[in-house]
Amino acid sequence: AQSVTQLDSQVPVFEEAPVELRCNYSSSVSVYLFWYVQYPNQGLQLLLKYLSGSTLVKGINGFEAEFNKSQTSFHLRKPSVHISDTAEYFCALRNNAGNMLTFGGGTRLMVKP
Amino acid sequence: DVKVTQSSRYLVKRTGEKVFLECVQDMDHENMFWYRQDPGLGLRLIYFSYDVKMKEKGDIPEGYSVSREKKERFSLILESASTNQTSMYLCASTGGFEDKNIQYFGAGTRLSVL
Repeated sequence: AQSVTQLDSQVPVFEEAPVELRCNYSSSVSVYLFWYVQYPNQGLQLLLKYLSGSTLVKGINGFEAEFNKSQTSFHLRKPSVHISDTAEYFCALRNNAGNMLTFGGGTRLMVKP
Repeated sequence: DVKVTQSSRYLVKRTGEKVFLECVQDMDHENMFWYRQDPGLGLRLIYFSYDVKMKEKGDIPEGYSVSREKKERFSLILESASTNQTSMYLCASTGGFEDKNIQYFGAGTRLSVL
């Protein structure tokens, strides 16, 4: 069985401050890891993905994430957030045997002016 | 751009009604998925389909069925809607080997069962 845990359900932060959204996973096999973002009243869109290679992955809108195998983590970071980053963020994994994604519970990022 | 279209943004149904949620994708993707999204629970997979007329149960299939008669269309059916099926429903699709790492999502259908 595999699972994804997002440790914070809500993260309030002021505009231009740095932010880290935490994600831990559990799996007995190799995994691929993803972050998706959901803006209000929209579906999810892919922010970034880790498949192999460099453990630091850069995505859209200035976000990046670091895969840490020993800590089974894939935390999402941005050095300076904007009001427009207010959204819900989902961490997800897929194992190398299947097509299905397993999602975490989501983290609502609230950027305040 | 890949487009995944869900037929309704909002639906209100009564307990016991049969409900159809429709999803269409325009990129000839093999794989299509239905999720429900609930606060604090993230997205949970209900069913997915890897080809026409082929389907597999996800994590929470009880109370749901699906239909895929054409490659581009994947329907979710609530045979007898209940109040605990009030939720946001999201459809997604992925392509072949290179594309299957990216799921493309529709905008969602918010279903209320009264």
